[in-house]
Amino acid sequence: SQQGEEDPQALSIQEGENATMNCSYKTSINNLQWYRQNSGRGLVHLILIRSNEREKHSGRLRVTLDTSKKSSSLLITASRAADTASYFCATDRPPGAGSYQLTFGKGTKLSVIP
Amino acid sequence: DTEVTQTPKHLVMGMTNKKSLKCEQHMGHRAMYWYKQKAKKPPELMFVYSYEKLSINESVPSRFSPECPNSSLLNLHLHALQPEDSALYLCASSQGRPPTTGELFFGEGSRLTVL
Repeated sequence: SQQGEEDPQALSIQEGENATMNCSYKTSINNLQWYRQNSGRGLVHLILIRSNEREKHSGRLRVTLDTSKKSSSLLITASRAADTASYFCATDRPPGAGSYQLTFGKGTKLSVIP
Repeated sequence: DTEVTQTPKHLVMGMTNKKSLKCEQHMGHRAMYWYKQKAKKPPELMFVYSYEKLSINESVPSRFSPECPNSSLLNLHLHALQPEDSALYLCASSQGRPPTTGELFFGEGSRLTVL
């Protein structure tokens, strides 16, 4: 299975602290994406990193990708209570690697305590 | 605010009912998706439409029937569902054409309860 595995499954931090979530996957990828989901709502795209990129920033978000280790991390700096949500990584396969499939990992549930 | 609109937000139906979930986007995206999400689980792909043609069916039971009337609309027709089909059904669209894809834009989902 291509499915990513997030680590940890749940994370609880104080407001202002940094939160780091990790994602591991099994096969080669075209790109890796991170999404956020508030409870019972739709998913919101956060950031996409291509397989030839190593690091990407967007506001308070920093994503790294290590294709040799088949892993990625999402860092949220200076967390806020509003960052409380579930975070999913998602991977897709390189062109020609078979039928389309964007596969979501199991997710990390982040709780930011005010 | 999401640019993918799903209706209804909530749906309760019996096992003999026929109902439909609807999804609409006006971003000009030509790929549209249905995902199913059970509680505390990741979304699971059900169907992919590319240029209004069904390109992927992830072995979904025939009691779920997708339809793409035009490039902006995606329906999911439901018939003779089981209680285990209760879930959040998410519609998404993307500019990229499968098999590769970029960012997915999700709707807020339709919460389905089958009694």
